[in-house]
Amino acid sequence: DTGVSQDPRHKITKRGQNVTFRCDPISEHNRLYWYRQTLGQGPEFLTYFQNEAQLEKSRLLSDRFSAERPKGSFSTLEIQRTEQGDSAMYLCASSLEGSEAFFGQGTRLTVV
Amino acid sequence: GDSVTQMEGPVTLSEEAFLTINCTYTATGYPSLFWYVQYPGEGLQLLLKATKADDKGSNKGFEATYRKETTSFHLEKGSVQVSDSAVYFCALSLYNFNKFYFGSGTKLNVKP
Repeated sequence: DTGVSQDPRHKITKRGQNVTFRCDPISEHNRLYWYRQTLGQGPEFLTYFQNEAQLEKSRLLSDRFSAERPKGSFSTLEIQRTEQGDSAMYLCASSLEGSEAFFGQGTRLTVV
Repeated sequence: GDSVTQMEGPVTLSEEAFLTINCTYTATGYPSLFWYVQYPGEGLQLLLKATKADDKGSNKGFEATYRKETTSFHLEKGSVQVSDSAVYFCALSLYNFNKFYFGSGTKLNVKP
């Protein structure tokens, strides 16, 4: 296992379409996080899971956003009815409880 | 609320110059503090961390000391190299590392 893997790396979609991103964490990590990073800014927390339980969601995560981690392994982040303001880098990270997070390379979403 | 403020960039230095990137934080509890680095086209990588006051984190010639009295965690390196060119993010985490708050990042350009 070489690290956190995210797919796709880049996604261009038309406004109003739905998109889904996948994150595969480091295999022994029980925590998984999603962050959003816009140009010139630091990552902003969206949500995190401990095993399959989603323990916290940011106010940034509107009802168009949903995240799952069905078996406590990989996770998906879905954005419904995309808007231009959703254009950003979506970062996934994983960790052991009580330890620092390791980040994937991110999925860059462009909504046109 | 909990937040991190770091100096704006870009910072441009000549090779072998001394580097300081300032970071201050606001936290409701007793945070752990981190520096992450993002090289072009890559994800965030943990550079160093400190989990309690007066701890010094160090890695690859970079150092930062957790100063509770000044709520600061400034990043320093005695002699930068061209390969250090990247964006550096200061971050804090509370409550057993359940989420991280990031600064807006400081871009470092090192010229030969």
